[in-house]
Amino acid sequence: GAVVSQHPSRVICKSGTSVKIECRSLDFQATTMFWYRQFPKQSLMLMATSNEGSKATYEQGVEKDKFLINHASLTLSTLTVTSAHPEDSSFYICSALSTTSGVSYEQYFGPGTRLTVT
Amino acid sequence: GQNIDQPTEMTATEGAIVQINCTYQTSGFNGLFWYQQHAGEAPTFLSYNVLDGLEEKGRFSSFLSRSKGYSYLLLKELQMKDSASYLCAVRDTNNAGNMLTFGGGTRLMVKP
Repeated sequence: GAVVSQHPSRVICKSGTSVKIECRSLDFQATTMFWYRQFPKQSLMLMATSNEGSKATYEQGVEKDKFLINHASLTLSTLTVTSAHPEDSSFYICSALSTTSGVSYEQYFGPGTRLTVT
Repeated sequence: GQNIDQPTEMTATEGAIVQINCTYQTSGFNGLFWYQQHAGEAPTFLSYNVLDGLEEKGRFSSFLSRSKGYSYLLLKELQMKDSASYLCAVRDTNNAGNMLTFGGGTRLMVKP
């Protein structure tokens, strides 16, 4: 099956610093990737839709200048949390939509990145 | 937008059967997904329904009624490892990029 990786799996940073999270589709190309945020005991909340070669589409309430998304290739999207604050501490999950597999309607999720801002 | 409702928590006994319901409202329905998510892990795909009826896959089955905006996930022969959150998600043709909208998730606790 299709594999999506995320790096790092866990990160602790100080308030005010920036953190970059990478999402890679390892064995397929993904023109579209999604970034989700999940707080404890809550469901996934879509933050933005990342399209290769174009600007990301952000959901209402998500600051595009704070959460920078770059989808520079068909296998890599990055999310940079700028000037992180403790309230940004969360579980960040990416998913990729396969354009080469026969199951084009399925999103493949990465393992998630646990961000803790102190 | 879409409204997706599912119970917050359910408890069931090992070996039993449990049904998790999901209701949705959407203008351009284009598929309903069920995912399983263990604490601290990413969701894993369980099932996909786009036509009415029952899809069976081992111990898990998923049912869809488009006219009623209703789906359920049926888990048979429950095992302790089935304790997890179960997420119902809907795809809408009006959403760019085949985006999914997730329900709040149902936390299932399986007891011995």
